[in-house]
Amino acid sequence: DAKTTQPPSMDCAEGRAANLPCNHSTISGNEYVYWYRQIHSQGPQYIIHGLKNNETNEMASLIITEDRKSSTLILPHATLRDTAVYYCIVRDNQGGKLIFGQGTELSVKP
Amino acid sequence: NAGVTQTPKFRVLKTGQSMTLLCAQDMNHEYMYWYRQDPGMGLRLIHYSVGEGTTAKGEVPDGYNVSRLKKQNFLLGLESAAPSQTSVYFCASSPHGGPGAGSEQFFGPGTRLTVL
Repeated sequence: DAKTTQPPSMDCAEGRAANLPCNHSTISGNEYVYWYRQIHSQGPQYIIHGLKNNETNEMASLIITEDRKSSTLILPHATLRDTAVYYCIVRDNQGGKLIFGQGTELSVKP
Repeated sequence: NAGVTQTPKFRVLKTGQSMTLLCAQDMNHEYMYWYRQDPGMGLRLIHYSVGEGTTAKGEVPDGYNVSRLKKQNFLLGLESAAPSQTSVYFCASSPHGGPGAGSEQFFGPGTRLTVL
């Protein structure tokens, strides 16, 4: 079973920030939070990951709460090409397995 | 760099037929994975490999076999295809399997398999 809970869908206006929440209340101390996205019919694409500090890269920012029970992926200026299903994943430390849940379907609208 | 490639892109099988899906990566990654994705669902791990000559079971291994004879290739076999194996199959690779830097997985474009 997936260890994360995400809203099934969200809308965002083009050019605005998209904030995608994720709950992972059972996360253990040495588990990382990973975010991937899947644009229709394509293979998933890695976005970002973190342990407890906030992280930023060229694609997005990841904000993890101090108790690590939840996190938010931020796309600072969403474009139509960011329309995709976004998966929040708590990483299994054995063998690198990713356990995908249902994800959040983000629709960026003009 | 081609990244992760999958062959074939599409395939239709009849129940009971066999086939092999090929995954190749040119990034010298140690870890490779096979996932399946059913309509409206997230990906589920079938088998994975932590290095050349090794394989291990994932969440849904039944009905599939795998081999990793060369580091760059990971083969997924269906010995006797069933309609329940109709799905999209994704291969992925990563530099290593531990958490942290270098663990991100790179995915191929997928193989769409229909079993009649």
